Amino acid sequence: SAVISQKPSRDICQRGTSLTIQCQVDSQVTMMFWYRQQPGQSLTLIATANQGSEATYESGFVIDKFPISRPNLTFSTLTVSNMSPEDSSIYLCSVDATAGSYTFGSGTRLTVV
Amino acid sequence: EDQVTQSPEALRLQEGESSSLNCSYTVSGLRGLFWYRQDPGKGPEFLFTLYSAGEEKEKERLKATLTKKESFLHITAPKPEDSATYLCAVQATGSSNTGKLIFGQGTTLQVKP
Repeated sequence: SAVISQKPSRDICQRGTSLTIQCQVDSQVTMMFWYRQQPGQSLTLIATANQGSEATYESGFVIDKFPISRPNLTFSTLTVSNMSPEDSSIYLCSVDATAGSYTFGSGTRLTVV
Repeated sequence: EDQVTQSPEALRLQEGESSSLNCSYTVSGLRGLFWYRQDPGKGPEFLFTLYSAGEEKEKERLKATLTKKESFLHITAPKPEDSATYLCAVQATGSSNTGKLIFGQGTTLQVKP
């Protein structure tokens, strides 16, 4: 199965600033997914990133807040913009590299102060 | 609305004490049901995918089963290293995003020696 490298693993940021999270996969994949896991909550899909097209956002998530790049078939970034304490979460990227399963990165633990 | 509910929220077992975790789901149509294990500070680790009622899959001390409304993760003679949060997720056929997983809130399992 695919191996995902996600950076940074954790960060503490000031409110009002932005953080860009990187997701690198060791094989080419069609779709990359970005999830958020708020404290004590389940994973929620933010958006789906396909190479060569605009990301598709789920209800409640907007591009201005969570811009995504997908420059090639092995890499994607998620930016959390104009952060507030409510953005403190774990952010995870995922890929469908193997039929019938989805692989997740180790996550980025974000704390906004 | 597609929904996944897991129970119990937390489970404490003695080593060797078998038990089951429940995942109830409501979807327009089931494309697949997924079980993941998540250790603290790490991303979800894939365990199983089930596709149709009656299907069963096993891996070491874990066995996953599926009915039309719920799935069970049976843990036989658990060991302390089985301690983790177990996540259930569904993929719905009616979703416009074929890759979207809808997660439950998880069951945190603690196995005491």
